[in-house]
Amino acid sequence: QSVLTQPPSVSAAPGQKVTISCSGSSSNIGNNYVSWYQQLPGTAPKLLIYENNKRASGIPDRFSGSKSDTSATLGITGLQTGDEADYYCGTWDSSLSAGVFGGGTKLTVL
Amino acid sequence: EVQLVESGGGLVQPGGSLRLSCESSGFTFSTYGMSWVRQAPGMGLQWLSYISTTSDDILYADSVKGRFTISRDNAKNSLYLQMNSLRAEDTAVYYCARGRISVAGYDYWGQGTLVTVSS
Repeated sequence: QSVLTQPPSVSAAPGQKVTISCSGSSSNIGNNYVSWYQQLPGTAPKLLIYENNKRASGIPDRFSGSKSDTSATLGITGLQTGDEADYYCGTWDSSLSAGVFGGGTKLTVL
Repeated sequence: EVQLVESGGGLVQPGGSLRLSCESSGFTFSTYGMSWVRQAPGMGLQWLSYISTTSDDILYADSVKGRFTISRDNAKNSLYLQMNSLRAEDTAVYYCARGRISVAGYDYWGQGTLVTVSS
């Protein structure tokens, strides 16, 4: 059971837009920065978004991040088949004094 | 080019020990906090541990506290994870990552090293 809650899967057609939610609490998302990671099959995670809404180096502006209260959202526009991957949100939990990740969301581009 | 290369994984019996290493290159290792994250087969990411630049701030997940020890050697540009009293549930790919999740996330990750705990 992950501290941060993500939908197990999302899907959309090529060219469309998708959002992935990440729900937490005041001890984690509510008071700490959120980062988002993309993990392509068989590879290490890759940083997409840090500090809630800043794109990592080399990440196209098709990817965006936002945060409101105790939830965060990753948005991907202009979907491509190459975007098919698992996506994870992560942050610090001040009560646990530990890093926490969401359970991951598998994106399928139909 | 920033590179993180893990090594030291393998098959170990329950109760055994392993020491993972993460060799860095392409950046000034001594100026970055470093972390370990693992991923069990078919599962999500799990944060394990963090160490600050001078090793004066060290944090662990409850699941590994008292069994795992993180350390670093800035002269060797290397990060380590000593794992003792290993259990079947420690079976995972172990990644080293640059940074601190509470600050700017992990901007670079190693390729991972597989640890299998089984008799």
